[in-house]
Amino acid sequence: EVQLVESGGGSVQPGGSLRLSCVASGFTFSDFWMSWVRQAPGKGLEWVANIKHDGSDTFYVDSVKGRFTISRDNAKNSVFLQMNSLRAEDTAVYYCARAAAAASRDYWGQGTLVTVSS
Amino acid sequence: QSVLTQPPSASGSPGQSVTISCTGTSSDVGGYNYVSWYQQHPGKAPKLMIFEVSKRPSGVPDRFSGSKSGNTASLTVSGLQAEDEADYYCSSYGGSNNVVFGGGTTLTV
Repeated sequence: EVQLVESGGGSVQPGGSLRLSCVASGFTFSDFWMSWVRQAPGKGLEWVANIKHDGSDTFYVDSVKGRFTISRDNAKNSVFLQMNSLRAEDTAVYYCARAAAAASRDYWGQGTLVTVSS
Repeated sequence: QSVLTQPPSASGSPGQSVTISCTGTSSDVGGYNYVSWYQQHPGKAPKLMIFEVSKRPSGVPDRFSGSKSGNTASLTVSGLQAEDEADYYCSSYGGSNNVVFGGGTTLTV
């Protein structure tokens, strides 16, 4: 059974940093691209970042470029999201998702809440 | 503001059919057959229902179907059941390794 478990969310002041983690199980992690997708309270889904299966390339939505970094450790079946210079508008539930065929995401974690507030 | 446009709400009675639209541009929906649809119940993670415009993952009932015409994709739910009541989001490859989502549609049964 495929499982994705996120952790690392919490409350932080504007300008602060957080590092999210996602541990995967139930599939060959190193075969798949991985994604982070976020959802602000009461709002829709927003793709945040992708990382290739081997970590050789990363992609970001414009609003987080230069502030967020996605990375992975295939030996630990884990993907990470380092978030710096956080803003109030980054407040959201952050989901880790497995990237499947043709830009779809076929498995999602339960999400971790990030709150940016003074 | 979301890149893809969905109606905020849709509704239907049990047993009926309902179609949810998702309008983009030639740079996303119209340019690729890479449209996905997700179902999200309150407080839960999204679930993939349709990928590559019209394909269903294993385990998704065939009451759910997808299609596309030009820059507009559609999700049709036939034989509505109470458990279909949820938020539905469309998504498309947006080129340059970007992914775009719609604003979501709340389906009431």
